[in-house]
Amino acid sequence: GENVEQHPSTLSVQEGDSAVIKCTYSDSASNYFPWYKQELGKGPQLIIDIRSNVGEKKDQRIAVTLNKTAKHFSLHITETQPEDSAVYFCAASITDTGRRALTFGSGTRLQVQP
Amino acid sequence: DAGITQSPRHKVTETGTPVTLRCHQTENHRYMYWYRQDPGHGLRLIHYSYGVKDTDKGEVSDGYSVSRSKTEDFLLTLESATSSQTSVYFCASYAGQGTLKRGSGANVLTFGAGSRLTVL
Repeated sequence: GENVEQHPSTLSVQEGDSAVIKCTYSDSASNYFPWYKQELGKGPQLIIDIRSNVGEKKDQRIAVTLNKTAKHFSLHITETQPEDSAVYFCAASITDTGRRALTFGSGTRLQVQP
Repeated sequence: DAGITQSPRHKVTETGTPVTLRCHQTENHRYMYWYRQDPGHGLRLIHYSYGVKDTDKGEVSDGYSVSRSKTEDFLLTLESATSSQTSVYFCASYAGQGTLKRGSGANVLTFGAGSRLTVL
């Protein structure tokens, strides 16, 4: 089955700096890569996703890049703000059938220091 | 959000007792999932459902069973709870291929708020 590794496990940045979280996956058939943000006491929420036919996707301060050859993808947050502090999860999936559930990385706790 | 509610939100129980967690969604989503979240492990899939009475095992299914008698409800049962099942449990759902949810991905899972279970 799929295995997703995520680094770093914790990340502390100053407000206004950029943050980068990296993930690798094992199954070359995976073609969908979402990122979730989890705030304290809440369930994870989708913040951005990318499909394997795209190399990069941006949404305001957030961007995700995908390198299919190396089987890794990254989340980039620019101009970080205190409200970006949360746990972030990457995930991978094959979208040919809904039976393929997401496989998650172990999470990155991001702390943005004001 | 998909309108997913989990109950109970918190439960403390003793080893050997049965426990049932309930997930209820109001979006008529076909697919539903149970994950557990533990430090250092992220979210791991326990069981999932691809329709009423259609379920399958995930990567950590031992000690758990599920049932889905209605589209909107997905129950997770621990027949005899153990301390290793102390965790936060998340339910998720999504409509399936072709959904126009945010991100337009076919696997846009939407999560509930979680159920914290402590087994003493």
